[in-house]
Amino acid sequence: EAGVTQFPSHSVIEKGQTVTLRCDPISGHDNLYWYRRVMGKEIKFLLHFVKESKQDESGMPNNRFLAERTGGTYSTLKVQPAELEDSGVYFCASSRLGTRGKVTQYFGPGTRLTVL
Amino acid sequence: SQQGEEDPQALSIQEGENATMNCSYKTSINNLQWYRQNSGRGLVHLILIRSNEREKHSGRLRVTLDTSKKSSSLLITASRAADTASYFCATDGTSGSRLTFGEGTQLTVNP
Repeated sequence: EAGVTQFPSHSVIEKGQTVTLRCDPISGHDNLYWYRRVMGKEIKFLLHFVKESKQDESGMPNNRFLAERTGGTYSTLKVQPAELEDSGVYFCASSRLGTRGKVTQYFGPGTRLTVL
Repeated sequence: SQQGEEDPQALSIQEGENATMNCSYKTSINNLQWYRQNSGRGLVHLILIRSNEREKHSGRLRVTLDTSKKSSSLLITASRAADTASYFCATDGTSGSRLTFGEGTQLTVNP
């Protein structure tokens, strides 16, 4: 079974440009999550999809961030326009719908975003 | 203070020694999970303990959970150089919901 994959692994862009990150969850996982780790700080939640619907987007920092999951498969996270403080590692995770209260989130390798 | 604080922030030991990392949290939880991140790589799930469990083992890993103190510990026995990584605890309030992470413990195992 393939794990969670993310593309690209690294992205370096100029302030004001647009970047789109992609996440492919584990096949069959309806839950998809985005997290990020900025400047060596703790990993923070961004949002949660259940299939194609946004279940919880309370962690999205502002309206420069747009996440989509059309068709309930892969997801994209677009940052437009990017700012310096957006630099960090963006992680995607996926999990099955809850099974008796024990749900493990499996993480991808992350996308390291550098905004210059 | 942040939910899911780990201590120590950094730990350096010799190969063969045991490593203990602690995690505290503030709100009620459903599950507590431990993850490892090797330098520049993704998060690897290590072990999950439910709120009604007190201890779990997996290979060289032992996790304890004390919900009265809102704390957990991760013990790695007979450490190896390959265990060098950052270790994070993460909690969720309900099944399948967002995880709240601590800042992590950087473990260095010297050969």
